[in-house]
Amino acid sequence: EAGVAQSPRYKIIEKRQSVAFWCNPISGHATLYWYQQILGQGPKLLIQFQNNGVVDDSQLPKDRFSAERLKGVDSTLKIQPAKLEDSAVYLCASSSSGAFQETQYFGPGTRLLVL
Amino acid sequence: DQQVKQNSPSLSVQEGRISILNCDYTNSMFDYFLWYKKYPAEGPTFLISISSIKDKNEDGRFTVFLNKSAKHLSLHIVPSQPGDSAVYFCAASARTGTYKYIFGTGTRLKVLA
Repeated sequence: EAGVAQSPRYKIIEKRQSVAFWCNPISGHATLYWYQQILGQGPKLLIQFQNNGVVDDSQLPKDRFSAERLKGVDSTLKIQPAKLEDSAVYLCASSSSGAFQETQYFGPGTRLLVL
Repeated sequence: DQQVKQNSPSLSVQEGRISILNCDYTNSMFDYFLWYKKYPAEGPTFLISISSIKDKNEDGRFTVFLNKSAKHLSLHIVPSQPGDSAVYFCAASARTGTYKYIFGTGTRLKVLA
């Protein structure tokens, strides 16, 4: 079974530029998560989708971050404009239905460096 | 407000010995706990979990202990192997809302051959 796919793996941009990350979850998984992991910290949930609807975006900086999952399968996370403090690894995860005690499966992440 | 804390950023253990990784939490609503393991340039992978109705869960060389009164859990790896060298994250979830995971800051384990 294929795991969670993410691209690109690395991205370097200047501050104030825009960037987009793509995620393809495990086939059949209804729930998709985007996390931000800053160096030295644990992953922090940015947004959670159930199919193509948002169920939690309470920690998403909505003035600059946006995410969509239009057909309930793959998803895109965008930052516009980027700030220096956005340098982090962006992890995508998926789970079967988002039920309690369900395991989340993570992709390899996209490492973003903002200069 | 760090609800899940891993106070030891790093730990070194000799191969064959026991590794003990600790995690503390502050939110009494948490009732499901997990450990994830992360190698460099890879995403975290699920290792083991425990529900608050239990105080111990075992899976091969890995055992997680939960002390609800102390709001503390620990991961024991016996015996430790060089391939266990990785960053270990503790995470917690509550049975309310969206069941989201709250992660600790991680402990880097190095197993010395």
